[in-house]
Amino acid sequence: QLQLQESGPGLVKPSETLSLICTVSGGSISSSNYYWGWFRQPPGKGLEWIGSIYYNGNTYYDPSLESRVAMSVHMPKNQFSLKVNSVTAADTAVYYCARHLSSNWEGPDSWGQGTLVTVSS
Amino acid sequence: DVVMTQSPLSLSVTLGQPASISCRSSQSLVHITGNTYLNWFQQRPGQSPRRLIYQISNRDSGVPDRFSGSGSGTHFTLNISRVEAEDVGIYYCMQGSHWPPFTFGPGTKVDIK
Repeated sequence: QLQLQESGPGLVKPSETLSLICTVSGGSISSSNYYWGWFRQPPGKGLEWIGSIYYNGNTYYDPSLESRVAMSVHMPKNQFSLKVNSVTAADTAVYYCARHLSSNWEGPDSWGQGTLVTVSS
Repeated sequence: DVVMTQSPLSLSVTLGQPASISCRSSQSLVHITGNTYLNWFQQRPGQSPRRLIYQISNRDSGVPDRFSGSGSGTHFTLNISRVEAEDVGIYYCMQGSHWPPFTFGPGTKVDIK
């Protein structure tokens, strides 16, 4: 059974870079069948898509975040990562990694448990 | 981007009674393939989202048959035929037809009266 697990610092200072890793188990990140995505949920608010990456490194980012976001895949460790630079308090959120099919346009069928990242000095 | 709206934003339901959530999109969600990529997600308190419905009306594996989806074009509905205590949470519609990006509705909070 596929499992996704987010990891990374829970506290980031304003203007610095938020870095998270998603470790995938029970499935291969090198599969051509899936995109690997990042989503976030500010406290008490709704879900937002950040971006998705394909096994070959092709990326798609939300236009509102595109200038500050970078995603990459790390095949040997079966991981993919997210970096958001120049963070502000507005980037405080629970960050989720997830998987969605590459053969259609459905939303994620598997999600990680989420990790809270707080931006504060 | 496609804007998704939901109503109501909050719903208080008696156990065993039905519930209905409406979702509207600012553009038609009919994809060039002819399919409509409208999903419903459930988020129970303290948990990750879980996909319940894909392509308007198809239930994901393990989703109870009291959940059903319907609609077309720009107007969609999630129905719960008989609400149970485990259905408490927030329900989101999401469109994928115009990905990227995925866009979500604001969510509808369901609790027990």
